[in-house]
Amino acid sequence: EVQLVQSGAEVKKPGESLKISCKTSGYSFNDFWIGWVRQMPGKGLEWMGIIYPDDSDTRYSPSFQGQVTISADKSITTAYLQWSSLKASDTAIYYCARPSLVRGEVRNFDYWGQGTLVTVSS
Amino acid sequence: QSVLTQPPSVSAAPGQKVTISCSGSSSNIGNNYVSWYQHLPGTAPTLVIHDNDKRPSGISDRFSGSRSGTSATLGITGLQTGDEADYYCGTWDSSLSAAVFGGGTQLTVL
Repeated sequence: EVQLVQSGAEVKKPGESLKISCKTSGYSFNDFWIGWVRQMPGKGLEWMGIIYPDDSDTRYSPSFQGQVTISADKSITTAYLQWSSLKASDTAIYYCARPSLVRGEVRNFDYWGQGTLVTVSS
Repeated sequence: QSVLTQPPSVSAAPGQKVTISCSGSSSNIGNNYVSWYQHLPGTAPTLVIHDNDKRPSGISDRFSGSRSGTSATLGITGLQTGDEADYYCGTWDSSLSAAVFGGGTQLTVL
């Protein structure tokens, strides 16, 4: 059974750094892309980016390029999303999700994590 | 403002049928496959339709999808209270080089 289990809720102050995780199991981690999706309070879903763990090929949505860093650790089949300096506008629920790609384009997301609530407030 | 446009809410009685629309453009829905997700707040979203009209294994045949031109539609028949959730459409946008979603539609089963 494919499972994506995310780290717990975080409360941070503006300017602080943060790294949240997505532990996967039930499939060959190296052979599938994995990505992140943001949901701001009361808003819809926004795709942030994806990574291919086998070679660390990483692709970002233009809206998030330079704002976050996506990484993966093959040895523990875990993906990460990190910020170097959080802003209040980063307050959101962040979902990891496994996409399927065709010709480099995301076709759909077939498995999702339960979400990590990140609250940034002074 | 989402790239794909969905109605904020729809409602219907138990046992009835409901449709949820998703409108886009030639750079997204018009030339790429559409998927649909069911999301109960606080839980992981679930893929219910992929490739416009295909159901993943384990998804009830009460769920159906279609695409015509630059719009897509999710249909749910035999509505149950357990179907109450937010539903999102998604696809690839070739101009943005990004996966995009609709703003979500809240389904209420009265």
